[in-house]
Amino acid sequence: KQEVTQIPAALSVPEGENLVLNCSFTDSAIYNLQWFRQDPGKGLTSLLLIQSSQREQTSGRLNASLDKSSGRSTLYIAASQPGDSATYLCAVGNRGYQKVTFGTGTKLQVIP
Amino acid sequence: EAQVTQNPRYLITVTGKKLTVTCSQNMNHEYMSWYRQDPGLGLRQIYYSMNVEVTDKGDVPEGYKVSRKEKRNFPLILESPSPNQTSLYFCASSLVLTDTQYFGPGTRLTVL
Repeated sequence: KQEVTQIPAALSVPEGENLVLNCSFTDSAIYNLQWFRQDPGKGLTSLLLIQSSQREQTSGRLNASLDKSSGRSTLYIAASQPGDSATYLCAVGNRGYQKVTFGTGTKLQVIP
Repeated sequence: EAQVTQNPRYLITVTGKKLTVTCSQNMNHEYMSWYRQDPGLGLRQIYYSMNVEVTDKGDVPEGYKVSRKEKRNFPLILESPSPNQTSLYFCASSLVLTDTQYFGPGTRLTVL
């Protein structure tokens, strides 16, 4: 059974700092990995999708990498802003049993 | 506007009273899912559907039913709700499993 872990559970940084969020998974038989952000009381917004054949994806200040063999993904946020404060979730699409498994998220606070 | 809609957004009910949460998408997506989100446990997949008339259990299917009679709709049915089904529920869809998932706004369910 796939297990997805996100460490740390919470992170607080000053505005302007570059930061890295981590996601690890136990079963490398995946189709893809997706990063989301969730604002309090709101739904999930997709940030980046990396297919299993890809190594990274970029969107603006965000860069996500995937190392399938080691079961790890990172989300790099450059020049963080208070508006980046949210919970960040990663999710993997699993080969073989067509399910999606989420991590428990990292709650990010960017302090002005 | 491309979107996933859920109704109702908030629901308070009593143990044993059957209820249905509707989910609809207007993007002609094949893959649809239901998730529940609980503090400390993250999002867990309840049921998913690969296409019309094709549904399968996720990681926490007990106490839930689904149907997929039309491509756009994927209702979640709780035939005899219990207090442990109090949770925040999300519906999501994607073109196929390997594509970006789009989430609905969520339904907050309280079972007394």
